Amino acid sequence: DQQVKQNSPSLSVQEGRISILNCDYTNSMFDYFLWYKKYPAEGPTFLISISSIKDKNEDGRFTVFLNKSAKHLSLHIVPSQPGDSAVYFCAATGGSNYKLTFGKGTLLTVNP
Amino acid sequence: NAGVTQTPKFQVLKTGQSMTLQCAQDMNHEYMSWYRQDPGMGLRLIHYSVGAGITDQGEVPNGYNVSRSTTEDFPLRLLSAAPSQTSVYFCASSRTGYNSPLHFGNGTRLTVT
Repeated sequence: DQQVKQNSPSLSVQEGRISILNCDYTNSMFDYFLWYKKYPAEGPTFLISISSIKDKNEDGRFTVFLNKSAKHLSLHIVPSQPGDSAVYFCAATGGSNYKLTFGKGTLLTVNP
Repeated sequence: NAGVTQTPKFQVLKTGQSMTLQCAQDMNHEYMSWYRQDPGMGLRLIHYSVGAGITDQGEVPNGYNVSRSTTEDFPLRLLSAAPSQTSVYFCASSRTGYNSPLHFGNGTRLTVT
């Protein structure tokens, strides 16, 4: 059973516009959520995180929104840049659990 | 600061062979873990360790062994390689493991024929 779902395998946006990547989760014990970015032939790199006590966290062009009642989070990138083209993974953990569960990823392509 | 270092970068094995994937971190992180990435499957946790001498199973542990004799090193052993273990393997570490972002190595691409 997939506990973290990224239902869009790919997303294409124009440079300068907003990119919105979505993630849904099913486990109500999850209380810490992260986004990672991955370029080909490299390991994932941490982008931004959010605790369940917040509903929004910003870091520069990146903002993560958390809707606990809907068990949904989203990553907004504004403005999108060609260098943002990568696979984005949503991940979650919780309940004093050391296991980080990842979604399957969304390939973002930002067109110049 | 090297971060998380994985060796080798590429490896080809025949079915039934054994090998060890090496992982070392120089950040004095207590928590280390191994993931595998397969097409359409995302990243799946194989084994993890919350400190030297302590290891536990993740989501897909069968066919793999780990040990953690030092804080820095967390090798992953394939006991008898199978084609289903063809994958890209990532080692990751974090300061505490809980509510602490993982730092990943650049991966080992393993092919089992």
